[in-house]
Amino acid sequence: AQKVTQAQTEISVVEKEDVTLDCVYETRDTTYYLFWYKQPPSGELVFLIRRNSFDEQNEISGRYSWNFQKSTSSFNFTITASQVVDSAVYFCALSDSNSGYSTLTFGKGTMLLVSP
Amino acid sequence: GAGVSQSPSNKVTEKGKDVELRCDPISGHTALYWYRQSLGQGLEFLIYFQGNSAPDKSGLPSDRFSAERTGGSVSTLTIQRTQQEDSAVYLCASSGTSGRNNEQFFGPGTRLTVL
Repeated sequence: AQKVTQAQTEISVVEKEDVTLDCVYETRDTTYYLFWYKQPPSGELVFLIRRNSFDEQNEISGRYSWNFQKSTSSFNFTITASQVVDSAVYFCALSDSNSGYSTLTFGKGTMLLVSP
Repeated sequence: GAGVSQSPSNKVTEKGKDVELRCDPISGHTALYWYRQSLGQGLEFLIYFQGNSAPDKSGLPSDRFSAERTGGSVSTLTIQRTQQEDSAVYLCASSGTSGRNNEQFFGPGTRLTVL
């Protein structure tokens, strides 16, 4: 069965520090998709990235970067020079054939607190 | 354009009552999802609608939960005989012409409290 583990429940950093949020997934499929979502205090989940299992190239978007390592079944998310506005709960998610590649299996989330 | 909207934003009910939660997806989106977010359980899939196909109900926790999607647009999640463990935030999401792998756009959620 598919599973997503975010071992870090809560991380606290000071503004301008770099921070990495870990995500480890389990699936029996060779084709699958990984996602990161941000949930700010307002509550609405915001899509950040989607990555398919055949694309291991790391991605950078501004201060955000993602490191996909199939060998360790990890899809970690790094925020460089964190800001107070980055404070949120971040969810990693997976879709595979078990869900018809439609619904998402989420990790339990990591709460990131960035203080000034 | 308008995003996914949900109503009510908050609902307080007494144990044993029925509740209805509404979701308006983004116009033109054929896929609609319901998830539940509760303390200790994280985000759990409940039910998925794709076009005119039979819904995927595999995530519904009990037969007290049901959902409809009328006219391929608005969806209503109904919880009958509510229990305290039903207290959670119920999130609705929609995605584009194909649900497969597409980005899901989430609504703000309905916070349900069962007393």
